[in-house]
Amino acid sequence: DTGVSQDPRHKITKRGQNVTFRCDPISEHNRLYWYRQTLGQGPEFLTYFQNEAQLEKSRLLSDRFSAERPKGSFSTLEIQRTEQGDSAMYLCASSLGAASYEQYFGPGTRLTVT
Amino acid sequence: AQSVAQPEDQVNVAEGNPLTVKCTYSVSGNPYLFWYVQYPNRGLQFLLKYITGDNLVKGSYGFEAEFNKSQTSFHLKKPSALVSDSALYFCAVRGMDTGRRALTFGSGTRLQVQP
Repeated sequence: DTGVSQDPRHKITKRGQNVTFRCDPISEHNRLYWYRQTLGQGPEFLTYFQNEAQLEKSRLLSDRFSAERPKGSFSTLEIQRTEQGDSAMYLCASSLGAASYEQYFGPGTRLTVT
Repeated sequence: AQSVAQPEDQVNVAEGNPLTVKCTYSVSGNPYLFWYVQYPNRGLQFLLKYITGDNLVKGSYGFEAEFNKSQTSFHLKKPSALVSDSALYFCAVRGMDTGRRALTFGSGTRLQVQP
């Protein structure tokens, strides 16, 4: 059983650069979520996909953030013109259809903006 | 709006003793409630959930949680703590009637089990 995978696990970038993260959900899961977690805090919701449709976006998702799930399988999260405040752990989760309530999380991508 | 409060930053317990990690929530309508555990350098692992039905739900690794609607609480419990239970625990809520899928998490409680 392969769980949710994320790539890369760590990313260090300079302020102003663009970064892209990838998430591969559990294969039969049609729902995919992105969260952000900063030190000492719980995860905060960013956005949610059902298949390829982006159905929910948080106010945390500024114009510099964009997420896609083009074929309803893997997803990418891009941050343009990174700022030091973007430094965080970016978590991806997936869940199975309407009858499944719990979300299964990947290991996360730790972003450090210098 | 939905929110979760975990009033204790850290809980210390001796191995073999019972443990409780507290969680209270606020949500419109009925809640879906969850507990997750996070080990160092690993993602969140699902422990248990309350959707409907029996107020006492059992989950992984011997953990259980009790839903109390009148107190809007969902405390995590285990009868006998293990050193290996030491980790960061998060409570999360989603409103049943809101149509939203996003989970709202508490700030976490660090559980330290001493040998």
